[in-house]
Amino acid sequence: KAGVTQTPRYLIKTRGQQVTLSCSPISGHRSVSWYQQTPGQGLQFLFEYFSETQRNKGNFPGRFSGRQFSNSRSEMNVSTLELGDSALYLCASSLEGREQFFGPGTRLTVL
Amino acid sequence: AQSVTQPDIHITVSEGASLELRCNYSYGATPYLFWYVQSPGQGLQLLLKYFSGDTLVQGIKGFEAEFKRSQSSFNLRKPSVHWSDAAEYFCAVGAGTYKYIFGTGTRLKVLA
Repeated sequence: KAGVTQTPRYLIKTRGQQVTLSCSPISGHRSVSWYQQTPGQGLQFLFEYFSETQRNKGNFPGRFSGRQFSNSRSEMNVSTLELGDSALYLCASSLEGREQFFGPGTRLTVL
Repeated sequence: AQSVTQPDIHITVSEGASLELRCNYSYGATPYLFWYVQSPGQGLQLLLKYFSGDTLVQGIKGFEAEFKRSQSSFNLRKPSVHWSDAAEYFCAVGAGTYKYIFGTGTRLKVLA
């Protein structure tokens, strides 16, 4: 069974631009969560989607948004990028609300 | 408030030595507990998990962890560390359905 995939793996953007990241969960997993990882803040929870509905949300500004499609694939969008948005963005999928399985991440660099 | 504490930011051990990484949590109910490992620039890989039952759980790569309810701890151990174990280790708590809280991580360095 294929693992969680994330595209693209690397992105370079400039301040003020917007970006969309994609995540495909493990087949059959309906829950997808997103995390931001930075050296200073560690792993911070962004949001979680289940069956196309956002069920949990972390403490991030409205510039960070997401959605989930009927096939459970998820996207997250960051608008009006800031330098501080440079991070590794991790996606994780879960089958029954127990363990999460993580993708390799998307490294976003904002210049 | 729910939280996970990994008190050691960095740990250095010699290859072949034993290892213990500490994790303490704060959670009202019996939590789901996890240890993940992350190599540089990669995602997190699940090492082991505790849901219920036997408090000593075995994981991959020769790791084990023990759940101690009285101490609110879930320490990770390995009897003999290999150079390939150098990575960052994260403890996490499942704080309700589909909600997870991660510790800040412990970076392990292994000396040859």
